[in-house]
Amino acid sequence: KAGVTQTPRYLIKTRGQQVTLSCSPISGHRSVSWYQQTPGQGLQFLFEYFSETQRNKGNFPGRFSGRQFSNSRSEMNVSTLELGDSALYLCASSLPTDYNEQFFGPGTRLTVL
Amino acid sequence: GNSVTQMEGPVTLSEEAFLTINCTYTATGYPSLFWYVQYPGEGLQLLLKATKADDKGSNKGFEATYRKETTSFHLEKGSVQVSDSAVYFCALPGGGGSNYKLTFGKGTLLTVNP
Repeated sequence: KAGVTQTPRYLIKTRGQQVTLSCSPISGHRSVSWYQQTPGQGLQFLFEYFSETQRNKGNFPGRFSGRQFSNSRSEMNVSTLELGDSALYLCASSLPTDYNEQFFGPGTRLTVL
Repeated sequence: GNSVTQMEGPVTLSEEAFLTINCTYTATGYPSLFWYVQYPGEGLQLLLKATKADDKGSNKGFEATYRKETTSFHLEKGSVQVSDSAVYFCALPGGGGSNYKLTFGKGTLLTVNP
């Protein structure tokens, strides 16, 4: 069974631009979560989607948004990029019966110049 | 809310040495506990888990026991290899008012020298 895939793997943007990251969960997984990983803050929860509905959102500004499609694929968007948004963005999926056990993708490395 | 405190390291060991990475937690009830590993340039992989008190999770020679008396879930390995060099994260569900998430420790960088 294929794992969680994320595209693109690497991105370089400049301040003020916006970016969209994509995540395809493991087949059969309907919950998708997003995390931001930085050296200073570690792993921080962004948001979680289930059946196209956002169930939880972390403590991030409104510039960070996401959505989930009917096939469970998810996207996250960051508008008006800031230097501090440079990070590894990780997507994770889980089964509806065990949302606690999350399977992670390889991440998208975003660099904001 | 749920939280986890993890030994931050870094930890540097010689091959075949014994490894312990400490993790303690604060939680409501008895949630599942996890150890994840992140190899250089990769995402997180689930290393092992325990779903109830006194459970022992194990995988690839690593072990961790869910101790409710001490609210701990320390990671151990009897003989580390160079290939174990990675960052290790302790995690539990919930925290910050959200149920559908994992709360992670800060991570412990392990370097194993030949």
